[in-house]
Amino acid sequence: IAGITQAPTSQILAAGRRMTLRCTQDMRHNAMYWYRQDLGLGLRLIHYSNTAGTTGKGEVPDGYSVSRANTDDFPLTLASAVPSQTSVYFCASSEGTGSPLHFGNGTRLTVT
Amino acid sequence: AQSVTQLGSHVSVSEGALVLLRCNYSSSVPPYLFWYVQYPNQGLQLLLKYTTGATLVKGINGFEAEFKKSETSFHLTKPSAHMSDAAEYFCAVSARANNNDMRFGAGTRLTVKP
Repeated sequence: IAGITQAPTSQILAAGRRMTLRCTQDMRHNAMYWYRQDLGLGLRLIHYSNTAGTTGKGEVPDGYSVSRANTDDFPLTLASAVPSQTSVYFCASSEGTGSPLHFGNGTRLTVT
Repeated sequence: AQSVTQLGSHVSVSEGALVLLRCNYSSSVPPYLFWYVQYPNQGLQLLLKYTTGATLVKGINGFEAEFKKSETSFHLTKPSAHMSDAAEYFCAVSARANNNDMRFGAGTRLTVKP
């Protein structure tokens, strides 16, 4: 089934540790996104990539980095995790402007 | 930048009753508007979208929404609620220039009582 695969499903991480959340899509979409979901705040965009080789900052990029080496993969890295990064992280992709987003099932991250 | 306000973080209806979830948006340019649904422990799924053309948009599972430019609204409705409609619903807006500025509302949790 075509879609977006995120790993891990959940993770408990000690503050100060480095963590990479993985995201792979098989729909050949050019655009990919990382959002965080927090209760009462909806989804907020962390970083995006319009095409392989390019990335951009979203609404809440501090403390996160991304790379887009190819069309299918879009990993999100927390260089030194802090408790405020406890959240559910969603990867998404789209065909482009005006197209809806396709979401993975999320990674639940707890930073202690 | 665009923004979305969803009125009511929690809506409760009886099975068979009308579902009305409210969404108001702010955008300096003509917007694209979306409704997504999220079931527990899953990602968001598209319910319906408005891009151009007819202002009454029909989506999956019997839901529909009407784009009202004069009211800057995009309310979601369903004539008769089903137990399976219980979920979290998100309204989203993006500028026609690019999807990178898609903004989501805080969400409305719909409960359906038997």
